[in-house]
Amino acid sequence: GEDVEQSLFLSVREGDSSVINCTYTDSSSTYLYWYKQEPGAGLQLLTYIFSNMDMKQDQRLTVLLNKKDKHLSLRIADTQTGDSAIYFCADFGGSARQLTFGSGTQLTVLP
Amino acid sequence: SQTIHQWPATLVQPVGSPLSLECTVEGTSNPNLYWYRQAAGRGLQLLFYSVGIGQISSEVPQNLSASRPQDRQFILSSKKLLLSDSGFYLCAWIPTGPPYNEQFFGPGTRLTVL
Repeated sequence: GEDVEQSLFLSVREGDSSVINCTYTDSSSTYLYWYKQEPGAGLQLLTYIFSNMDMKQDQRLTVLLNKKDKHLSLRIADTQTGDSAIYFCADFGGSARQLTFGSGTQLTVLP
Repeated sequence: SQTIHQWPATLVQPVGSPLSLECTVEGTSNPNLYWYRQAAGRGLQLLFYSVGIGQISSEVPQNLSASRPQDRQFILSSKKLLLSDSGFYLCAWIPTGPPYNEQFFGPGTRLTVL
């Protein structure tokens, strides 16, 4: 079946860049997403990229997609303490048009 | 504008008790609806999805069930809760019109089974 994998933890210093990585297995994925979840809260869509794109930039966020290697990354420039959260990547597809989520990466921003 | 409601926000239930979580969507018609569970603050697992009234598909075997009695209402139920049913339950929807790819999530229900 489809699988999406992420590393579990990442710590960065405030002001540095964060890079969160994700790999997926479904070659038919049409869209790939990044969601943010703050403690005790629901999911917030951060950004997404269409599978025929290599890069998408949205203010401090840059998404890179290597379709050949099925590798997705999210770069957060000038990381702030408010960026501390769990970040989920997900791919979109299937007969139900559902999202398949990775396990989430806990980003901790140190002062 | 479209909105999605879930209630209750928090629920504590004893083992063996029944469960009913409700999700309603406003501002759209004939959406695809989804129930996800997030256990232990980690990854989300798709439990059920529905493409129309009375049409339910289950992704994983479990003691939970889902129903869609109305176009914009999706209910998650159990006759007897297990400890392992504890988690954060998220309802989501996707429109059948554009944007075809964006899935919107509700605020979630945090269920603790004791």
